[in-house]
Amino acid sequence: GENVEQHPSTLSVQEGDSAVIKCTYSDSASNYFPWYKQELGKRPQLIIDIRSNVGEKKDQRIAVTLNKTAKHFSLHITETQPEDSAVYFCAAEGDTGRRALTFGSGTRLQVQP
Amino acid sequence: NAGVTQTPKFRILKIGQSMTLQCTQDMNHNYMYWYRQDPGMGLKLIYYSVGAGITDKGEVPNGYNVSRSTTEDFPLRLELAAPSQTSVYFCASGRDGRVNSPLHFGNGTRLTVT
Repeated sequence: GENVEQHPSTLSVQEGDSAVIKCTYSDSASNYFPWYKQELGKRPQLIIDIRSNVGEKKDQRIAVTLNKTAKHFSLHITETQPEDSAVYFCAAEGDTGRRALTFGSGTRLQVQP
Repeated sequence: NAGVTQTPKFRILKIGQSMTLQCTQDMNHNYMYWYRQDPGMGLKLIYYSVGAGITDKGEVPNGYNVSRSTTEDFPLRLELAAPSQTSVYFCASGRDGRVNSPLHFGNGTRLTVT
């Protein structure tokens, strides 16, 4: 089955700096890669996703890049703000077999004002 | 739409007790999932369903059972609670068709087994 590894587990940045979170996956058949944000005590919520036929996607201060050859994808947050502080999860989903997301272990992002 | 609704929000069980975590969605989604999230960890798939009457095991199904008699409801049953089942449980749903659709999560059930 799919295995998703996520790094780093914690990340602290100064307000206004950029933050990068990286994930690798094992199943070359995976073709959908969402990112979820989870604030303390809340449910995970989708912030951006990318499909395997796209190399990069951007939504305001958030961007995701995908390298299918190397089987890794990354989340980039620019001009970080204190409200970006949360736990971020990457995930991957394949086209066949188990039709469900496999999640990474999460990155706790702390944006220092 | 209420989205995905989970009950209860909190529960404390004694070892060996049983309980059912309820999950219902009003978005007419065929796909439904149960994940557990241990402290400081990611989400692990327990069971999932691709439609009424169809369920399948995820990564960590031991100690749990599910049923899917209707499109709306996907309850998770713990038969003999164990301390290892202390966790936050999230139910989620997704729309029909291709698997590439965002998951809608419920607010979670925080379960403690002592």
